[in-house]
Amino acid sequence: DGGITQSPKYLFRKEGQNVTLSCEQNLNHDAMYWYRQDPGQGLRLIYYSQIVNDFQKGDIAEGYSVSREKKESFPLTVTSAQKNPTAFYLCASSIPAGDYNEQFFGPGTRLTVL
Amino acid sequence: GQNIDQPTEMTATEGAIVQINCTYQTSGFNGLFWYQQHAGEAPTFLSYNVLDGLEEKGRFSSFLSRSKGYSYLLLKELQMKDSASYLCAVMDSNYQLIWGAGTKLIIKP
Repeated sequence: DGGITQSPKYLFRKEGQNVTLSCEQNLNHDAMYWYRQDPGQGLRLIYYSQIVNDFQKGDIAEGYSVSREKKESFPLTVTSAQKNPTAFYLCASSIPAGDYNEQFFGPGTRLTVL
Repeated sequence: GQNIDQPTEMTATEGAIVQINCTYQTSGFNGLFWYQQHAGEAPTFLSYNVLDGLEEKGRFSSFLSRSKGYSYLLLKELQMKDSASYLCAVMDSNYQLIWGAGTKLIIKP
């Protein structure tokens, strides 16, 4: 079955630690995205990648980093520079941008900083 | 700036009809999406409108008026499983999705 997987589902981190969230897709999609979701707010774009070895900052990239070494994988690192990292993180993928660009989402990772 | 507005919360009765509105102001328009999101889960795609008018898909319909910057999602024959948040998102001129904060729909028996 094709889909997007994210791991882990729940993650706890101590302040000052970097942590990496995994995102893998087998939909053969070129584009991948990382969003952050906070209560009462819409999804906010952190980073996106339209093709392997290339990625762009979204609206809230500060304190985050990504890599896109493989088409299937788009890991997100939350660094100690992110001041308020506790949130629900969603990874998505889609066919390349065009007239129709439905995004498919993974199950999400809930990160809590202790 | 870019802005998507939706009501924060709505309540409806099982078996009834509910309309969730979305108004938008974005830099360019390349389509409007509605997604459903159950608590703690991923959003799932419901509908896509790029031309004015009504798109019907089973119990769910979505309407778009580009001149008014307005859309609604209509849910008929409500079921308890429809209790969820409904997210409106607009694709801007750069083909990026701009998301509303979502409308939490509560269904009562």
